[in-house]
Amino acid sequence: RKEVEQDPGPFNVPEGATVAFNCTYSNSASQSFFWYRQDCRKEPKLLMSVYSSGNEDGRFTAQLNRASQYISLLIRDSKLSDSATYLCVVKEGGGATNKLIFGTGTLLAVQP
Amino acid sequence: DTEVTQTPKHLVMGMTNKKSLKCEQHMGHRAMYWYKQKAKKPPELMFVYSYEKLSINESVPSRFSPECPNSSLLNLHLHALQPEDSALYLCASSRTGKASNTGGEKLFFGSGTQLSVL
Repeated sequence: RKEVEQDPGPFNVPEGATVAFNCTYSNSASQSFFWYRQDCRKEPKLLMSVYSSGNEDGRFTAQLNRASQYISLLIRDSKLSDSATYLCVVKEGGGATNKLIFGTGTLLAVQP
Repeated sequence: DTEVTQTPKHLVMGMTNKKSLKCEQHMGHRAMYWYKQKAKKPPELMFVYSYEKLSINESVPSRFSPECPNSSLLNLHLHALQPEDSALYLCASSRTGKASNTGGEKLFFGSGTQLSVL
């Protein structure tokens, strides 16, 4: 089983739609969680950290469910500019070094 | 614009060549990373330097040799690469490279070097 798994998509949604992505992780000792966004042929960029109580940043909401070992990202009112690959990132549990493991990514295509 | 600068942006090399990838950051970070990313795949960790010491080597073949001259600079020396090593090589930095009680540190990526090995 992969350490961090995501549905690769693509998710094709119309502008204005709400879309949600899930991500599961295998190591129950994992401590920190992030969502990164990667545009085609560009570097990954931090979208948001994921906190235990859930957190929101504008149209984006992240949730963490430690019991079920999954993380979610909700995007409301999708924009064309939201089209990208969304990478779930987990800090490997138990280690003293900041080793971040990337999920396979979910491709989002927002249609006009 | 990214605050982590990588050069060159593109590199084509033969299997007998020796080349180096360079990375620089001026955010005062003490940790730097090399990731490798193949098309339609996630970034895969290669090396981590924390306070100029190599703290993680993910069993990377010796034809890849990292070097961290100081906390702002990171190099990746390439020698006798194979065509399957063609990929996007991403450099990243973070504050310390060490996990804390509050968890992991976010990474700041450079724009990468697209490497083709012929």
